[in-house]
Amino acid sequence: SQQGEEDPQALSIQEGENATMNCSYKTSINNLQWYRQNSGRGLVHLILIRSNEREKHSGRLRVTLDTSKKSSSLLITASRAADTASYFCATEGNGNKLVFGAGTILRVKS
Amino acid sequence: DAGITQSPRHKVTETGTPVTLRCHQTENHRYMYWYRQDPGHGLRLIHYSYGVKDTDKGEVSDGYSVSRSKTEDFLLTLESATSSQTSVYFCAISDGRGDYQPQHFGDGTRLSIL
Repeated sequence: SQQGEEDPQALSIQEGENATMNCSYKTSINNLQWYRQNSGRGLVHLILIRSNEREKHSGRLRVTLDTSKKSSSLLITASRAADTASYFCATEGNGNKLVFGAGTILRVKS
Repeated sequence: DAGITQSPRHKVTETGTPVTLRCHQTENHRYMYWYRQDPGHGLRLIHYSYGVKDTDKGEVSDGYSVSRSKTEDFLLTLESATSSQTSVYFCAISDGRGDYQPQHFGDGTRLSIL
């Protein structure tokens, strides 16, 4: 069963704008991770936020986590054409296993 | 990039034939995973391994088997392929030491079963 559900399914923005993607999940977690997938490639890890953290930054990425609402958001600031990709959230419970959502397709137009 | 090689990268085969996909890593990571990716489903875990000869089932394990005889190799076998197993298959690895290790992915195998 799918744990994370991303919203929106697809997002199209202009270069320089910010992109926000949301993820909801169903059960308790140890951490939540975000991955990017470029067309025809494997997933690349972007950022991890632990269950006891509320916000984390990495470069142009900002992730928030609200465990009371079982939701997370990924903000990409000042987007670039190279950010065009699919973005997935994944939750980790016990046992070093991840459960992925269906992903958000981001298109950044130059 | 993490040293993960999947082979073959593309394969077309017929229903009922056996198929084996290989994942090879050069990172000496303990954990290895097989996922399938289908439109609208994200990635779903098929099987994973937490050491040599130590494997366990994932969410969608029916019709698949795995083997890990060496740290660096994790094989996924479809004993008798069906059209529903047409998908893109990804291998991933994880160190597993310490807390909260991310997974590193190969570039996938596109499998078509006619």
